[in-house]
Amino acid sequence: EAGVTQFPSHSVIEKGQTVTLRCDPISGHDNLYWYRRVMGKEIKFLLHFVKESKQDESGMPNNRFLAERTGGTYSTLKVQPAELEDSGVYFCASSQDRDGPYGYTFGSGTRLTVV
Amino acid sequence: AQSVTQPDIHITVSEGASLELRCNYSYGATPYLFWYVQSPGQGLQLLLKYFSGDTLVQGIKGFEAEFKRSQSSFNLRKPSVHWSDAAEYFCAVGEIGGGSNYKLTFGKGTLLTVNP
Repeated sequence: EAGVTQFPSHSVIEKGQTVTLRCDPISGHDNLYWYRRVMGKEIKFLLHFVKESKQDESGMPNNRFLAERTGGTYSTLKVQPAELEDSGVYFCASSQDRDGPYGYTFGSGTRLTVV
Repeated sequence: AQSVTQPDIHITVSEGASLELRCNYSYGATPYLFWYVQSPGQGLQLLLKYFSGDTLVQGIKGFEAEFKRSQSSFNLRKPSVHWSDAAEYFCAVGEIGGGSNYKLTFGKGTLLTVNP
């Protein structure tokens, strides 16, 4: 089966611009997660979708970040406007509840650089 | 709040040598514990996990980890390292009883370099 796919793999944008990251989960996975790793720091939870609904968005850093999951399939994470501190690697993961807790499959990540 | 500490930012070992990567966690009850590995250009791959039962857990690629409740540790080990093991390793802890919200807390990672 295809894994979790993230687009683009790399993105370099200027401060103040908008960037949209996309995640395609494994087909049939209801749970979709976004995580982020800022340089030198831990990988941190951003939010969790169950189908198209946001289950938990407690990790979203501020209102410049907007996540959507239309139709419960792929998800987008938009950063508008981007700031220098948003640079890092953004990971997406998906899982099925039947896989038990934390039956995550992670994508390769999107490396975002804001200059 | 739960937290994970990986004391070693960077470790260098020779190929064929043994390896131990340290992980300490802070959590109020018995946690779910994980080790992930990220090779260059790859996603996070699960090496092994501990939920309950035998405190010595076997994983993929010849790795194992031991849960020690008294020390709040979950160290990763491998008896003989291969050059392909060079990667970054992450320890993580998960909450129990979160319904369907399974949120992981990660350590900062340990970068492993393997010398020939």
